[in-house]
Amino acid sequence: GDSVTQMEGPVTLSEEAFLTINCTYTATGYPSLFWYVQYPGEGLQLLLKATKADDKGSNKGFEATYRKETTSFHLEKGSVQVSDSAVYFCALSKAAGNKLTFGGGTRVLVKP
Amino acid sequence: KAGVTQTPRYLIKTRGQQVTLSCSPISGHRSVSWYQQTPGQGLQFLFEYFSETQRNKGNFPGRFSGRQFSNSRSEMNVSTLELGDSALYLCASSRGDSADYNSPLHFGNGTRLTVT
Repeated sequence: GDSVTQMEGPVTLSEEAFLTINCTYTATGYPSLFWYVQYPGEGLQLLLKATKADDKGSNKGFEATYRKETTSFHLEKGSVQVSDSAVYFCALSKAAGNKLTFGGGTRVLVKP
Repeated sequence: KAGVTQTPRYLIKTRGQQVTLSCSPISGHRSVSWYQQTPGQGLQFLFEYFSETQRNKGNFPGRFSGRQFSNSRSEMNVSTLELGDSALYLCASSRGDSADYNSPLHFGNGTRLTVT
């Protein structure tokens, strides 16, 4: 079946550091790929998405490129802020019905 | 525009009991899906309802069921609760257009269920 693997956390960074969270997937066909973020005590929010190979999703300074050849969708941000402290989830979807397959999540802690 | 509302926020139940969780989607959204979040298993898809019909289902036992009303509000029921059902249950809504599986999900803040 489909699966998503992302690096385990926690990832601890200083403010203004560069952030990368690795995400790889296994799926047949052509899934859409997503990054969701969960702030403490809240539900998930869509951060960015890419629907086909070589697409780049971007939002709030975060970027991720859909790489079909390496089945990856790594999340990057050039300069993190304390407010970026959260849990980040990589996910894929292949069909209508809103059935997302999530990775295990990566907790990011940014220190001032 | 109001977001996805889940009630209650917290629940404590005893093993063997049953529980009902409620979800009100964003106005105009016809799809409601449910996810279970636990430290061990992460986020797992339970089921999705669209226009009062279950459109997709995850790999959970029959003790987990749901329904959707004509106003798109949804309820999820868990019967004969087990300790392992302790989790954060998240509801998400979307427009649900069948041709657009890329429309983003809007999640509620969840109901935290503790089974003792």
